[in-house]
Amino acid sequence: KAGVTQTPRYLIKTRGQQVTLSCSPISGHRSVSWYQQTPGQGLQFLFEYFSETQRNKGNFPGRFSGRQFSNSRSEMNVSTLELGDSALYLCASSLLGPELHNEQFFGPGTRLTVL
Amino acid sequence: AQSVAQPEDQVNVAEGNPLTVKCTYSVSGNPYLFWYVQYPNRGLQFLLKYITGDNLVKGSYGFEAEFNKSQTSFHLKKPSALVSDSALYFCAVSGSNYQLIWGAGTKLIIKP
Repeated sequence: KAGVTQTPRYLIKTRGQQVTLSCSPISGHRSVSWYQQTPGQGLQFLFEYFSETQRNKGNFPGRFSGRQFSNSRSEMNVSTLELGDSALYLCASSLLGPELHNEQFFGPGTRLTVL
Repeated sequence: AQSVAQPEDQVNVAEGNPLTVKCTYSVSGNPYLFWYVQYPNRGLQFLLKYITGDNLVKGSYGFEAEFNKSQTSFHLKKPSALVSDSALYFCAVSGSNYQLIWGAGTKLIIKP
């Protein structure tokens, strides 16, 4: 099976712009989670989608949003970019969800740089 | 509140020596515990998990982890370290509301 893919791999934006990141989960996986990784804050949970429904959301401002399509592909959007949004954004998929004992499979990430 | 702690930011081990990366947790109910590894410029990879049963869990690349309920710990171990084991290691516990709670990560450096 193909792994989790994320596009684009690298992005450079300026403050105030908006950005959309894409994630294609492993075939058959219905849960997609998004994380922000920065050197200072570690791995921070953004949100999780299952069958097109957002089941949980982390502690991020409303500028961060996401959605999931019927084929389980997911997108996340960040509007009005700030310098502090510079980070590695990781997508992870799992068969049913990260709760209980379902391990997650991660994509390579999208490196976002905000200038 | 549910939480995971990785008390060491960095662990240095000589190649061939045993290694331990520490993790402690606080969660209500039975914990489901995970270890993931991140190699430079790559996403995280699943190493192993504890659900129930035997306290010693074996995983990928020769790693194992010991679940200790009384000490609420889930330390990652390997009998003989390789230089290629150098990476960032994350411990996580399954919390409520469909999310994992992650530790801050421990950088493991194996010196030849």
